[in-house]
Amino acid sequence: KQEVTQIPAALSVPEGENLVLNCSFTDSAIYNLQWFRQDPGKGLTSLLLIQSSQREQTSGRLNASLDKSSGRSTLYIAASQPGDSATYLCATNAGKSTFGDGTTLTVKP
Amino acid sequence: NAGVTQTPKFRVLKTGQSMTLLCAQDMNHEYMYWYRQDPGMGLRLIHYSVGEGTTAKGEVPDGYNVSRLKKQNFLLGLESAAPSQTSVYFCASSSAPGQDPSYEQYFGPGTRLTVT
Repeated sequence: KQEVTQIPAALSVPEGENLVLNCSFTDSAIYNLQWFRQDPGKGLTSLLLIQSSQREQTSGRLNASLDKSSGRSTLYIAASQPGDSATYLCATNAGKSTFGDGTTLTVKP
Repeated sequence: NAGVTQTPKFRVLKTGQSMTLLCAQDMNHEYMYWYRQDPGMGLRLIHYSVGEGTTAKGEVPDGYNVSRLKKQNFLLGLESAAPSQTSVYFCASSSAPGQDPSYEQYFGPGTRLTVT
């Protein structure tokens, strides 16, 4: 059974800092790994998807990496802004998906 | 192109009542999923479907039933609602791995259900 763990559970940083969110998974037999953003009381917004054959994906200030052999993915956010405050979820996809519990990020002005 | 839609957006039920949540997608996706999300937690898979007429159990299927009579629709039923089923329910859809290399999931806006 796939298990997905996200560390830390919560993170508070001052505006402008670069930061890394971590996601680890136990079963490397995945099609891809997806990072989502969720604002309070809202749905999920897909940020980045890394296919199993890829090592990283970039979108603007976001960069996600995937290391299947070690069962790890990281989401790097550059020059954080208060608008980045949200919960970030990672999910592995392998026919059915398994989500981590998320990291709640607060960026202070 | 509406993507994934869910009906209703909010609902309050009394213990023992039944209801059906409807999910619809217009992207011709083969796979559809129902998740629930409880406070401070990620999403947990309830049931999923890999094609019209097929369904399978996920991580937390007890107390729920599903049907996929049409490719574009995936229904989630609660036969006898319990307070433990108070949650936010999300539907998602994706292409099959062979159809689309990215195999990305697209999510609906969610249904907030309260059982009193």
